[in-house]
Amino acid sequence: NAGVTQTPKFQVLKTGQSMTLQCAQDMNHEYMSWYRQDPGMGLRLIHYSVGAGITDQGEVPNGYNVSRSTTEDFPLRLLSAAPSQTSVYFCASSYGVSGRGGEQFFGPGTRLTVL
Amino acid sequence: RKEVEQDPGPFNVPEGATVAFNCTYSNSASQSFFWYRQDCRKEPKLLMSVYSSGNEDGRFTAQLNRASQYISLLIRDSKLSDSATYLCVVILDNYGQNFVFGPGTRLSVLP
Repeated sequence: NAGVTQTPKFQVLKTGQSMTLQCAQDMNHEYMSWYRQDPGMGLRLIHYSVGAGITDQGEVPNGYNVSRSTTEDFPLRLLSAAPSQTSVYFCASSYGVSGRGGEQFFGPGTRLTVL
Repeated sequence: RKEVEQDPGPFNVPEGATVAFNCTYSNSASQSFFWYRQDCRKEPKLLMSVYSSGNEDGRFTAQLNRASQYISLLIRDSKLSDSATYLCVVILDNYGQNFVFGPGTRLSVLP
């Protein structure tokens, strides 16, 4: 199993550009989520999905869009990049959202710089 | 008050030392608890779940105190390889939005 994969690993954008961060998992997990990690602030939830066709907002959703057309894939779209979106982005998946099912597996991250 | 708070660190300890981290959470309805470790510039990885009765995995022991709303992680006989940031995670409910990560506590084990 590849686990959770993310592409690209690094990306530099100019202000106003759009792009999609890819995330895929091969563990048949229903729950997937996107986090951003900034120095001194820990991980913050951007969007999450509890299954194909179902998505919802997390703590910091503004400027981001998601969709979940399959169980495996959960792309994150930046609509119009801003310097404040410079961060490390992690995708994670888990079997469920509570108890042992809530144990999350993370992808290796995408380091995004917006100039 | 932040939902999940951790000892600010950093903790610098010699090899072989015992070190303990605490994590407090504000919502008494929190249901599930975990400790993750994160190495520099890497993704977080699950270290252990925290069960109500406390649990142990080798040199690591996790405790939950619901009355005082905190969890703890004890590391015995510290190794150089234990150097990392330790993240406390609290799941508030069964609906998915409330995976809340603490800011992390950095541990450096010194030779």
